[in-house]
Amino acid sequence: GESVGLHLPTLSVQEGDNSIINCAYSNSASDYFIWYKQESGKGPQFIIDIRSNMDKRQGQRVTVLLNKTVKHLSLQIAATQPGDSAVYFCAENTGFSGGYNKLIFGAGTRLAVHP
Amino acid sequence: GAVVSQHPSRVICKSGTSVKIECRSLDFQATTMFWYRQFPKKSLMLMATSNEGSKATYEQGVEKDKFLINHASLTLSTLTVTSAHPEDSSFYICSAGVAGGSREQFFGPGTRLTVL
Repeated sequence: GESVGLHLPTLSVQEGDNSIINCAYSNSASDYFIWYKQESGKGPQFIIDIRSNMDKRQGQRVTVLLNKTVKHLSLQIAATQPGDSAVYFCAENTGFSGGYNKLIFGAGTRLAVHP
Repeated sequence: GAVVSQHPSRVICKSGTSVKIECRSLDFQATTMFWYRQFPKKSLMLMATSNEGSKATYEQGVEKDKFLINHASLTLSTLTVTSAHPEDSSFYICSAGVAGGSREQFFGPGTRLTVL
């Protein structure tokens, strides 16, 4: 089946703490994963991606971990700042299907950073 | 680079009218464009995928006669919501894939449609 968003869980953290946002994906054939950040009233903004031949990838203040065994993806944000407050979506991609490169989005998690 | 724009950013229309939303890739050629719909506090749901010069492929449950998609050039795709009704009110977001096989998609800023 496909990941479908049914509700929007919230993660509340203190400024300066590390945040971990989790995502369970549904398709074992998915081989490319992306994390997006979406601020209110705006389109998704690319944060970091990872291919299925990796289990960890680091960016600036962000790290993505991939566990293919349990179909789990996580986004770690170090030293969380108020500007990190947004909704975070994971997206999975199974490669070209019928000639198209479809992304399936997870339910999303709202990150609320408190001073 | 890789900027995608949408126009208009916000539109309010009367029930029964049609609304056209434009999606443009500003600094790259997009062989494939995607249209998503997002309800408040919900995730993005893919509506359709279009390749330049060919008919769009619609996801299950999306009415192709209701949501007309035209991808006339490598930098422009349009979504027309025909005979709009209040239940069509939503946030519509497009994304564009870069020619050459890259799997990354670049998202537009979204269009807020309100049907009265």
